[in-house]
Amino acid sequence: DIQMTQSPSSLSASVGDRVTITCRASQGISNDLAWFQQKPGKAPQALIYHASSLRSGVPSKFSGSGSGTDFTLTISSLQPEDFATYYCQQYNTYPLTFGGGTKVELK
Amino acid sequence: QVQLQQWGAGLLKPSETLSLTCTVYGRSFSGFYWSWVRQSPGKGLEWIVEISHSGSTRYNPSLQSRVTISLDTSKTQFSLWLSSVTAADTAVYYCAMVDTAMVPNDYWGQGTLVTVSS
Repeated sequence: DIQMTQSPSSLSASVGDRVTITCRASQGISNDLAWFQQKPGKAPQALIYHASSLRSGVPSKFSGSGSGTDFTLTISSLQPEDFATYYCQQYNTYPLTFGGGTKVELK
Repeated sequence: QVQLQQWGAGLLKPSETLSLTCTVYGRSFSGFYWSWVRQSPGKGLEWIVEISHSGSTRYNPSLQSRVTISLDTSKTQFSLWLSSVTAADTAVYYCAMVDTAMVPNDYWGQGTLVTVSS
């Protein structure tokens, strides 16, 4: 299985901060990577596919980059509704695998 | 507006079979991939199984021997069975579907907490 490692596992930030989360794959996955946002008690929701393509309806403050094994998710200006847990997922090879998550908390 | 409504038993005893069904409302049932994903309490996400619009099925090897997925296009439903459950299968189970657009759209059920306890 391809292991997905996210860092940090949690971070504290303030409204308006720029936040970057990284995700590393244990082997190359081209750009077959998605980012999900999950709020407490809710299902995950995709933000980005193909490492950098925003899902329809997702605000442009979210951006993704990377290819191969190293990827980043950036939130340009953190807003109250962005405090959540973020997961990366590779869909290059079955079984599909998720990173361990990054919890973004209010400082 | 696409909605996925899932249901199934929330409390099982060890060795029983988990059974969950997800009904899709508001969208044609063709051209999607349908999946089940679970999340153990306080933990991350684990992909369980996927079935494509062509009927091709993919399993997580860690669960494959116990998992069955089915699709009923006439009822726009898909179902998950997980046999011989143990406490380790206690989790919130989500159904999900993803379309085949260039940048996919994903849709999720509300989640069902399944607790395995004697």
